[in-house]
Amino acid sequence: QKEVEQDPGPLSVPEGAIVSLNCTYSNSAFQYFMWYRQYSRKGPELLMYTYSSGNKEDGRFTAQVDKSSKYISLFIRDSQPSDSATYLCAMSAVTGGFKTIFGAGTRLFVKA
Amino acid sequence: EAQVTQNPRYLITVTGKKLTVTCSQNMNHEYMSWYRQDPGLGLRQIYYSMNVEVTDKGDVPEGYKVSRKEKRNFPLILESPSPNQTSLYFCASSKVPSGNTIYFGEGSWLTVV
Repeated sequence: QKEVEQDPGPLSVPEGAIVSLNCTYSNSAFQYFMWYRQYSRKGPELLMYTYSSGNKEDGRFTAQVDKSSKYISLFIRDSQPSDSATYLCAMSAVTGGFKTIFGAGTRLFVKA
Repeated sequence: EAQVTQNPRYLITVTGKKLTVTCSQNMNHEYMSWYRQDPGLGLRQIYYSMNVEVTDKGDVPEGYKVSRKEKRNFPLILESPSPNQTSLYFCASSKVPSGNTIYFGEGSWLTVV
C-alpha cells in the first residue's frame, strides 16, 4: 500500500463547476499537508499549505484536512479553464526529518 | 527572482553514455533534492542533500549519483543510463525539507534509447 493515494483522473468539468480533489494517507505522523499545481511541461508550484487538521481558504481554493480519517481535500470554486492542470497532494512529518511524500497527481480539465 | 535552474531541459541519449543534469538555485537554500516523475507513480525522491558535502539516498537512488560541492549546485549524474531511466526529472530546493517551502525547477525530459 502506498503511503499516499490519489486518484489520477482525468477529471473533466465544465467552467464554473465546483471541483473536489482528494487524497488518503496511511501515516498518522503526517502533520504538514500541501497541494501543488503543475501545468504541462512545468515544475510543481505550491498552491495551498495546511498544518494539522482543519480548513484553509485562499480565494477560490479551500483545503481541508481530516486527520481522524486520514483524508485531505482541495476544493476549487467557480473553476476556470486556467485551472486545468495536474494537482498533487503532498505531506510531511517532523519524524523522518520532514521528508515530503507526494501523491501521484490528479489531472483536471476545465472546459470552457 | 527566486529560481531553480536545471539543464538540459530535453535530452535524448543512448544506453551507457554518461550524462549529467545540472541544477542551480539562487536562494541560498541548504536543502536540495532530485525527483523523478513517472505516470501513475508521482514524484519519487532520488537523492537529497542537507548541505554542502552532505548527501543521502532517497527512495529510488539506483543508477544515479549526486554531488554537493557548492551550496547552490546539485548535479545529478547517470553513469551508465538505461531505458528504465527515461523520465521527467525535477530538481528542488528549500530552506528546510518541509514540503511547504519547496521550489521546483522546470524539469528535464530525459529519454534513453
